Amino acid sequence: DTAVSQTPKYLVTQMGNDKSIKCEQNLGHDTMYWYKQDSKKFLKIMFSYNNKELIINETVPNRFSPKSPDKAHLNLHINSLELGDSAVYFCASSQLAGSGYNEQFFGPGTRLTVL
Amino acid sequence: DAKTTQPPSMDCAEGRAANLPCNHSTISGNEYVYWYRQIHSQGPQYIIHGLKNNETNEMASLIITEDRKSSTLILPHATLRDTAVYYCIVRVRGSNYKLTFGKGTLLTVNP
Repeated sequence: DTAVSQTPKYLVTQMGNDKSIKCEQNLGHDTMYWYKQDSKKFLKIMFSYNNKELIINETVPNRFSPKSPDKAHLNLHINSLELGDSAVYFCASSQLAGSGYNEQFFGPGTRLTVL
Repeated sequence: DAKTTQPPSMDCAEGRAANLPCNHSTISGNEYVYWYRQIHSQGPQYIIHGLKNNETNEMASLIITEDRKSSTLILPHATLRDTAVYYCIVRVRGSNYKLTFGKGTLLTVNP
């Protein structure tokens, strides 16, 4: 069984388009994240949601809008895509921080290419 | 979260122990040391974490110096599948939710 899944795995699109990436976890975790890994391989946090509430927003352009319909899902919608948005986007989940053991489980990533 | 310093790359022969160092000289008393790795084209994977005692699990061992300013991740019998970028991260357990990744160490296990 896949713990953290993302769709699609690859996404190729034109500049200016709007696209969404979906993430689902079946681990029963309370907290979900979006990370971005750019072409230089730096992995950076973008957002974090805890029980459907936004708790981290790391200076991400407002063209990026995360949505958490329930605890098990955290989707990422990107408006007006730019060349610089090309990257691999990773979703992750963990148990509620503060409960102690908050290892993060990562999805397989979505490679977004903006042409 | 405290800053960490890792060598950019290391090589290891298959079947031998891989010892990956991490310097975290500014670590605070309530900060843990976490290790994750990222195999090419995959999401990061948790390996192990510790506070001040040495830790061991089915994947690796973590040795933390007595002054906690550095640590070593040990893969006892490296295999080709252990080739990956290994990240040492220091953070307060349960705090701030996010992981701050540095550049990590690219470990290449050679046949």
